[in-house]
Amino acid sequence: DTEVTQTPKHLVMGMTNKKSLKCEQHMGHRAMYWYKQKAKKPPELMFVYSYEKLSINESVPSRFSPECPNSSLLNLHLHALQPEDSALYLCASSQDASWRNEQFFGPGTRLTVL
Amino acid sequence: AQSVSQHNHHVILSEAASLELGCNYSYGGTVNLFWYVQYPGQHLQLLLKYFSGDPLVKGIKGFEAEFIKSKFSFNLRKPSVQWSDTAEYFCAVNAYGGSQGNLIFGKGTKLSVKP
Repeated sequence: DTEVTQTPKHLVMGMTNKKSLKCEQHMGHRAMYWYKQKAKKPPELMFVYSYEKLSINESVPSRFSPECPNSSLLNLHLHALQPEDSALYLCASSQDASWRNEQFFGPGTRLTVL
Repeated sequence: AQSVSQHNHHVILSEAASLELGCNYSYGGTVNLFWYVQYPGQHLQLLLKYFSGDPLVKGIKGFEAEFIKSKFSFNLRKPSVQWSDTAEYFCAVNAYGGSQGNLIFGKGTKLSVKP
């Protein structure tokens, strides 16, 4: 299984809602990532988990809260988002967080904040 | 700081035309280089990668790229494009000594192939 899966595919939420994005991989990878991609822009790194520990937080606002319950799962908890947070949220995984490893991307969750 | 430049924002070609998309990076040390493709409505897929060895790298779907260290370049090529190659193409770099697992992406090149 060489897939990274993400749910839901689409999410519409109000600014007062709390929701979560989920990501799963069964490749035995020990590094997982959250990226944000705005329309017609490249992905921007948000968080890196290495061996289930948060290793990088790219100055992301606290309304985004990542969680790594185990080595296969990665969640992104959303609370009190702003309309400008609307974007495609991509999850990725790699063998580990070494610079030498390629990252495998999921299909993304398209988030719309009203 | 590391950066990646893709020179072409939007390239329009007819089927069977040859393709070359430019990518330059700014980092003097050892790098890993990648080309990813994002077809309309689909997720990012790895086309090819360069880690070391032969600077001419062959990827999926007939794509290849050449790493020219002296020019800090990693241009993507395909001899004859098809309508199905219509997509967004991203060059990315991961540098030795860079942040853990931090892929730096270029801004992307949109390729439109006319049938």
